[in-house]
Amino acid sequence: NAGVTQTPKFQVLKTGQSMTLQCAQDMNHNSMYWYRQDPGMGLRLIYYSASEGTTDKGEVPNGYNVSRLNKREFSLRLESAAPSQTSVYFCASDIRANTGELFFGEGSRLTVL
Amino acid sequence: GENVEQHPSTLSVQEGDSAVIKCTYSDSASNYFPWYKQELGKRPQLIIDIRSNVGEKKDQRIAVTLNKTAKHFSLHITETQPEDSAVYFCAASMGRGNKLVFGAGTILRVKS
Repeated sequence: NAGVTQTPKFQVLKTGQSMTLQCAQDMNHNSMYWYRQDPGMGLRLIYYSASEGTTDKGEVPNGYNVSRLNKREFSLRLESAAPSQTSVYFCASDIRANTGELFFGEGSRLTVL
Repeated sequence: GENVEQHPSTLSVQEGDSAVIKCTYSDSASNYFPWYKQELGKRPQLIIDIRSNVGEKKDQRIAVTLNKTAKHFSLHITETQPEDSAVYFCAASMGRGNKLVFGAGTILRVKS
C-alpha cells in the first residue's frame, strides 16, 4: 500500500518550459488536491478534485491546469513556467472532501530558472 | 476573505516544558480544524483534529481547544521532547467545497 505517490521528486526548468507533475493514490479516495508550499506561507491550495470528473480552483490557480484522469490519478501542469512557480508541490487525497485525514505525497521540488 | 492566522511563527522551549500554538480563522461556518506536523524534508502528517461540536480533544501529550465564538483554536503540547521539533500547521475548512485553508506554520524547537 503506497499511499500517495507523486513524480518527479525534483525538477529544474527554464522560464517558459512546460511540465506535468503526476500524482496517484491507491487508497480509493474520492478527493484529491494539489498544494504548493513556500517559506513562511504555509500550504496553499492550487486546485482540487472533490470527485472523479470534477475539478475546482483553489487559492492560487493562476499559471496551472489540472486533470483528474481517473479516480486514482490527478496531474498538475505548468504550461509556461515562471520563476514565481519555484516551490515544493504536494499532492494529497482524502476519502471525501475534508471529512478526515488528508494524506500527502512526499513532495516535488520544482526550480524555475 | 478566507484565511487562517497562526502565531507564533517560531517557538523555542526547553525539553519538558509546554508549547502552545494559536490560530484564528475568518469563516464562522468552518467546522473542521486539523493540525499537521511536518518534519524537515518530510510530508505533513495529521497529529490531531477537532470538529465544531467539540470544545477540547486530547491524545496523550497533545491537546486541541476550540472557541467557536471567538473563532480561534489552539494546539497544546505538554512535556515536550526533542522529537517534537518540527513545523506545525493549523487548518480550517471553509468556503465552497469545504476546502482546507492552512496557517503559515510554526517552527517549534525543543532544546535539550
